[in-house]
Amino acid sequence: QKEVEQDPGPLSVPEGAIVSLNCTYSNSAFQYFMWYRQYSRKGPELLMYTYSSGNKEDGRFTAQVDKSSKYISLFIRDSQPSDSATYLCAMSSITNAGKSTFGDGTTLTVKP
Amino acid sequence: DVKVTQSSRYLVKRTGEKVFLECVQDMDHENMFWYRQDPGLGLRLIYFSYDVKMKEKGDIPEGYSVSREKKERFSLILESASTNQTSMYLCASSPQGARETQYFGPGTRLLVL
Repeated sequence: QKEVEQDPGPLSVPEGAIVSLNCTYSNSAFQYFMWYRQYSRKGPELLMYTYSSGNKEDGRFTAQVDKSSKYISLFIRDSQPSDSATYLCAMSSITNAGKSTFGDGTTLTVKP
Repeated sequence: DVKVTQSSRYLVKRTGEKVFLECVQDMDHENMFWYRQDPGLGLRLIYFSYDVKMKEKGDIPEGYSVSREKKERFSLILESASTNQTSMYLCASSPQGARETQYFGPGTRLLVL
């Protein structure tokens, strides 16, 4: 079983919808939680970064971490066609912060 | 903005060739990483480096080696390319104080025939 499992998708939503992207994990040592966005034929770019539990908001994006359930989510409000991309969750522990474990990614398409 | 550049966007090589993939970052980051990305397998760490001349194996180092002679440059070497090394190769860097936040290059699509 993988340490990080990500909802596989693909996901297709109409413009303006609220999108929920989710990952579960098994390693209780994970303390850093990241979301990356990857456009087609490009490298991933860091979107959100959270340490430990709680919520973090940045514009239309909200990252949520529930360590008790080992579950993280990324919410996108008022989704736009430009949000169409693959979203990767990633996690690492304090002792091994440089070595992130990535989910396989969820491909999102936002239709105008 | 952090800039991570990779020497080639696309490469086609023959089985058995020695292949060099170069990565350069311009933000004085201490940490550099090489990943490969394959459909259904996600991003897998090949090697990483926390300092010049220092390297550590990732999850799938077999068939690869690396070199870090200068802080800004991290090279991935395929000693004898094989068809199962056909993949997208991604380089990343991160600062010492925030190792977990990685900045990626555009990737190199390698096809081994």
